[in-house]
Amino acid sequence: NAGVTQTPKFQVLKTGQSMTLQCAQDMNHEYMSWYRQDPGMGLRLIHYSVGAGITDQGEVPNGYNVSRSTTEDFPLRLLSAAPSQTSVYFCASTGTGGVYGYTFGSGTRLTVV
Amino acid sequence: GEDVEQSLFLSVREGDSSVINCTYTDSSSTYLYWYKQEPGAGLQLLTYIFSNMDMKQDQRLTVLLNKKDKHLSLRIADTQTGDSAIYFCLSNTGNQFYFGTGTSLTVIP
Repeated sequence: NAGVTQTPKFQVLKTGQSMTLQCAQDMNHEYMSWYRQDPGMGLRLIHYSVGAGITDQGEVPNGYNVSRSTTEDFPLRLLSAAPSQTSVYFCASTGTGGVYGYTFGSGTRLTVV
Repeated sequence: GEDVEQSLFLSVREGDSSVINCTYTDSSSTYLYWYKQEPGAGLQLLTYIFSNMDMKQDQRLTVLLNKKDKHLSLRIADTQTGDSAIYFCLSNTGNQFYFGTGTSLTVIP
């Protein structure tokens, strides 16, 4: 059981470039979300999805887009990278009602120069 | 949204007990969780407690929940150097999840 798989693990972008962070889960979880983690700021919710075809904004959505065409995949797109988006990004998923909490991916460390 | 607060730092000596505290504001929180993040790694679920429980014990871990005061704690008995990490409290209300800011635990040999 792979759990939540994130790719890539590391990425360096130039300001203005776009890219997609991939997230896939094989647990048939309805709920998926993206967080960014910055020093001293804990985890902040970017976007989340409660099921295929349904997405919503979290606390810090600006500069990011998401889509959820399948239950398994929840990619995060950076439209025009900025240095302020340098961070560690985590994808997480959980089943109905969140009884067993989140399962997290291993993270993507993104640097924008 | 809900506010979930934790103190930022805790230092303990190896072999002592550690107590990490968390306060939350939403009385309708249904599940509360503790996660551990080691340096450079993702978040690992340590334990969780349902809102209708007061205590849960799992080997060296004891979770206490005071619903009246909206206070959650994680006690680690016989703390080891491998317990050095950041510990996050997470509150769940329906489909909403709220993280605490994390407590960095340093274990001194």
